[in-house]
Amino acid sequence: EIVMTQSPATLSVSPGERATLSCRASQSVSSNLAWYQQRPGQAPRLLIYAASTRATGIPARFSGSGSETEFTLTISSLQSEDSAVYYCQQYDSRGTFGQGTKVEI
Amino acid sequence: EVQLVESGGGLVQPGGSLRLSCAASGFTFSSYWMYWVRQAPGKGLVWVARINSDGRSTRYADSVKGRFTVSRDNAENILYLQMNSLRAEDSAVYYCVRAVYLDLWGQGTLVTVSS
Repeated sequence: EIVMTQSPATLSVSPGERATLSCRASQSVSSNLAWYQQRPGQAPRLLIYAASTRATGIPARFSGSGSETEFTLTISSLQSEDSAVYYCQQYDSRGTFGQGTKVEI
Repeated sequence: EVQLVESGGGLVQPGGSLRLSCAASGFTFSSYWMYWVRQAPGKGLVWVARINSDGRSTRYADSVKGRFTVSRDNAENILYLQMNSLRAEDSAVYYCVRAVYLDLWGQGTLVTVSS
């Protein structure tokens, strides 16, 4: 089974700053990688798929990059509503998730 | 409206069974693979099972293989998860999710396994 590892576990940033979240796969997943945002009490929301394609309605301040085993989610100019837990997920083989990164603003 | 609505959760004793349902509307259900994803209280997301669009291909997480069965009724636009031999560690909110990119999530249904 492919293991997804996210870092850091928690990220504390100020409004307007940039946040960089990392996700590493235990083996290559090509570009079959998605990012999700989960606010407290809500279901997750798709942000990025195919490693770098923003989902419908997602603001341009969210961007994804990477391939194979190393991936990054960048949130430029953080806003208060970006406080959430962010998960990466590979869908190359089954659909394993990372353990999440909590972003505190 | 495009949506997924889960039902069937509740309290069940260890070793018991439960069947979750997910009603899809607003899109062509039969064209999409579907997932079940769960989340224990205060924990992360865990993929449980997936089924292809015609229901002929299924895959399961190792933790539920042999105990859970995913199926679908494309005529009625319903996804199912039959859960047998339930354990305390199966307690979670279960989400029905449209694949491949998991772009549409239901609101979740809570399953509690406890005596």
